[in-house]
Amino acid sequence: AQTVTQSQPEMSVQEAETVTLSCTYDTSENNYYLFWYKQPPSRQMILVIRQEAYKQQNATENRFSVNFQKAAKSFSLKISDSQLGDTAMYFCAFMNRRSGGGADGLTFGKGTHLIIQP
Amino acid sequence: KAGVTQTPRYLIKTRGQQVTLSCSPISGHRSVSWYQQTPGQGLQFLFEYFSETQRNKGNFPGRFSGRQFSNSRSEMNVSTLELGDSALYLCASNRLGANTGELFFGEGSRLTVL
Repeated sequence: AQTVTQSQPEMSVQEAETVTLSCTYDTSENNYYLFWYKQPPSRQMILVIRQEAYKQQNATENRFSVNFQKAAKSFSLKISDSQLGDTAMYFCAFMNRRSGGGADGLTFGKGTHLIIQP
Repeated sequence: KAGVTQTPRYLIKTRGQQVTLSCSPISGHRSVSWYQQTPGQGLQFLFEYFSETQRNKGNFPGRFSGRQFSNSRSEMNVSTLELGDSALYLCASNRLGANTGELFFGEGSRLTVL
């Protein structure tokens, strides 16, 4: 079974600063995806960024980038030039891809509550 | 394009009752997944349906069941409710199947069991 660990229950930074959220995972699988999902207060969860395990290049989406260290099983999210709208719960998630197609459900970490201060 | 719609948004039930939650995926999406979110256990995968077939199932008791209709709408049912079933139930859809991981979530149905 896979596990995902987010060691920072809450973080607070000033607007425009850069913040890094940590995530480690444990798996014996080799073919998988990693994700960061954002859940704003009372709003639906949205995908921030996705990383495929076989790709060495770190994924980036505008102000969001990841540092994927496969050997260390680490997958951190960096948010540059943070904005007030980035305030949300951030969940790191893992999905194992099966060899015959299909996949297991997402395994989520407990989340990091990120607060952007004005 | 309308997003994932879940109904009802809020509901209160008592122990022993049953509940049915509904999810309408984004138009054209054939995969629907369900997750339970609680403060203690976090987000946990319940099941995934694709083309009316349950393709994957999480580690929940048989009281939790679901189905998908030919229009891709999905329902989940929880029978013999327990206090611990109080949670936010999230539905997520995907066009090709949940195996790409790019899930589009609804706002959830918040169930309170008294």
